Amino acid sequence: QKEVEQNSGPLSVPEGAIASLNCTYSDRGSQSFFWYRQYSGKSPELIMSIYSNGDKEDGRFTAQLNKASQYVSLLIRDSQPSDSATYLCALENSGGSNYKLTFGKGTLLTVNP
Amino acid sequence: EAGVVQSPRYKIIEKKQPVAFWCNPISGHNTLYWYRQNLGQGPELLIRYENEEAVDDSQLPKDRFSAERLKGVDSTLKIQPAELGDSAVYLCASRGGEQFFGPGTRLTVL
Repeated sequence: QKEVEQNSGPLSVPEGAIASLNCTYSDRGSQSFFWYRQYSGKSPELIMSIYSNGDKEDGRFTAQLNKASQYVSLLIRDSQPSDSATYLCALENSGGSNYKLTFGKGTLLTVNP
Repeated sequence: EAGVVQSPRYKIIEKKQPVAFWCNPISGHNTLYWYRQNLGQGPELLIRYENEEAVDDSQLPKDRFSAERLKGVDSTLKIQPAELGDSAVYLCASRGGEQFFGPGTRLTVL
C-alpha cells in the first residue's frame, strides 16, 4: 500500500458546486496534514493544514481529518474556475524531529463555468 | 516577505553534462529541502538540511547527485553527469512551521 493515496481524477464539478477531494494514508504515526494546490507549470502552494481530528475551515475551504480512519479530505465550496488545479495531499510524521513531507500523486480538479 | 528563490527556472542540457541548481530559502528558515517532481507525481524528497547539516539524504542518488548548504542559508544541488531520467522539476522548500516551495527549476535532459 502506498503511503498516501489520492484519486488522480480528473474530478470535474460545475461552477458553484462543492468539490470533495479525498486522501487516505497508511502511517498511523502521521501527525500533521496539509493540502497543497498546484497549478499547471507552477510549484505547490500551501492552502490548508490540519493537525487534530475534526474540521478546519478557512474561507471556502474546509479540511477534515479522521485519524482513526486514516482519512483526510478537502472540501471546496462555491467552486470557481480559478480553483482548477491539482490538489496534493501531504502528511508529516514529525516523530524524532523528522520533518519530512510525504505527498500523494494529487487529484486534478476541473471546475467548469 | 520574500519567498523561496530558485534559479535557474529552466535548464536544457545534453545527457552526461553537469548541471547545478541554486536555492535561497525564506529568511530565518533553518530547514531546507530539495524535492524532485516527475510529471503526474507528487514531490519526492531528495535531501533535507537543518542549518548546514544534511539530516536526511537517504533518497539522494549519491553516485551522481550532490548538495551543499554552506553557512546554513543558500543551497546548491548538483547533478553530474545528468541522465535522461533526471528530467523533472527540482523544487526547493524551506520550513518555518510549515513548508513553502520555491518556483522550481524545470530540467530537460536531451
